[in-house]
Amino acid sequence: SQQGEEDPQALSIQEGENATMNCSYKTSINNLQWYRQNSGRGLVHLILIRSNEREKHSGRLRVTLDTSKKSSSLLITASRAADTASYFCATSTGTASKLTFGTGTRLQVTL
Amino acid sequence: NAGVMQNPRHLVRRRGQEARLRCSPMKGHSHVYWYRQLPEEGLKFMVYLQKENIIDESGMPKERFSAEFPKEGPSILRIQQVVRGDSAAYFCASSPRRAPGDNEQFFGPGTRLTVL
Repeated sequence: SQQGEEDPQALSIQEGENATMNCSYKTSINNLQWYRQNSGRGLVHLILIRSNEREKHSGRLRVTLDTSKKSSSLLITASRAADTASYFCATSTGTASKLTFGTGTRLQVTL
Repeated sequence: NAGVMQNPRHLVRRRGQEARLRCSPMKGHSHVYWYRQLPEEGLKFMVYLQKENIIDESGMPKERFSAEFPKEGPSILRIQQVVRGDSAAYFCASSPRRAPGDNEQFFGPGTRLTVL
């Protein structure tokens, strides 16, 4: 598996429900970031969590990081149709500044 | 404060032609990254530049691809003699600093290259 692999690959929920996406990675990280990409568009930065942090909140988003399991989760509460998008985790490792992206979770929120 | 700007948004080239993709980072950002995204895939790192310097080009194909970030003007990703396999979305990102623990990157809207 790649550094930064999301699970599930696709998720379909109804508006108002919560959506949880998971990301696993292989090597030690400096930080982990979550991005959203609407179909055919650029990426929007959602949240950054550092390796010494365990949980972070931003509005309806909650991100957790478990460095012992090398995994992170993104929870979107009270989902809306506008949340329909692909969600990617990206890791920063070592002295490199580049981000390594996972393959993404495609979230579909229906009315 | 304008975000990262990329142009053109869509570019069509025939095989063998050259493609030039431009990226203007956010104001105050001196670090630029280029990524490529194939359909239904995540982004793959290509190159990281600071003004007048290539810092990390570990993701760049060895041939036909080059990048620059001059002292003045936008960063340019140049693809010579394009082939159909170069068809992809190319994203540029910028960040204000390189500190590994805090390198939030801001992405542009991308350039979608189609090679006929």
